[in-house]
Amino acid sequence: EAGVVQSPRYKIIEKKQPVAFWCNPISGHNTLYWYLQNLGQGPELLIRYENEEAVDDSQLPKDRFSAERLKGVDSTLKIQPAELGDSAVYLCASSFSADTQYFGPGTRLTVL
Amino acid sequence: GDSVTQMEGPVTLSEEAFLTINCTYTATGYPSLFWYVQYPGEGLQLLLKATKADDKGSNKGFEATYRKETTSFHLEKGSVQVSDSAVYFCALRGTNAGKSTFGDGTTLTVKP
Repeated sequence: EAGVVQSPRYKIIEKKQPVAFWCNPISGHNTLYWYLQNLGQGPELLIRYENEEAVDDSQLPKDRFSAERLKGVDSTLKIQPAELGDSAVYLCASSFSADTQYFGPGTRLTVL
Repeated sequence: GDSVTQMEGPVTLSEEAFLTINCTYTATGYPSLFWYVQYPGEGLQLLLKATKADDKGSNKGFEATYRKETTSFHLEKGSVQVSDSAVYFCALRGTNAGKSTFGDGTTLTVKP
């Protein structure tokens, strides 16, 4: 069974540029999560989807971050414009309802 | 709100040594508790979990017991190997099903 797929694995951009991350969850998982992981810290939830609906986006900085999960499968997380402080690893995870979360390898973003 | 506190690292052990990584939590109700492991360049992998008080989770020689009286979920392994070198995260999933809170991680290095 394929795991959670994320792309790209690495991204380097200049500040003020836009960037997008893509996630394909495990087949059949209706719940999808985007986390932010800063160096030396644990993941922090940005947004959680139940199917197509964002049920918890309270930690998503909505002035520059946006996310979508069309058709309740793949998801895209976007930052526009990126700031230096956005440099981090962005993790996607999926689960079947509130069961165990399975994580992708993450996208490491560097903003110069 | 919910919180998880882990023993600060890094932890360096010799092969075959005994491992303990302390984890305590604060949460309302009866959370589920988890240990995740993250190898370099990879996403988090579920190591073990426990869903109610006095449950013991175990996997790959690692164990942790859900202690509600001390709000703890300490990770132990009787004999570590070099391949156990990784970052270990303690996490809880609270009564708001699907929302997980992670500790900051403990880096373990095992030397031959």
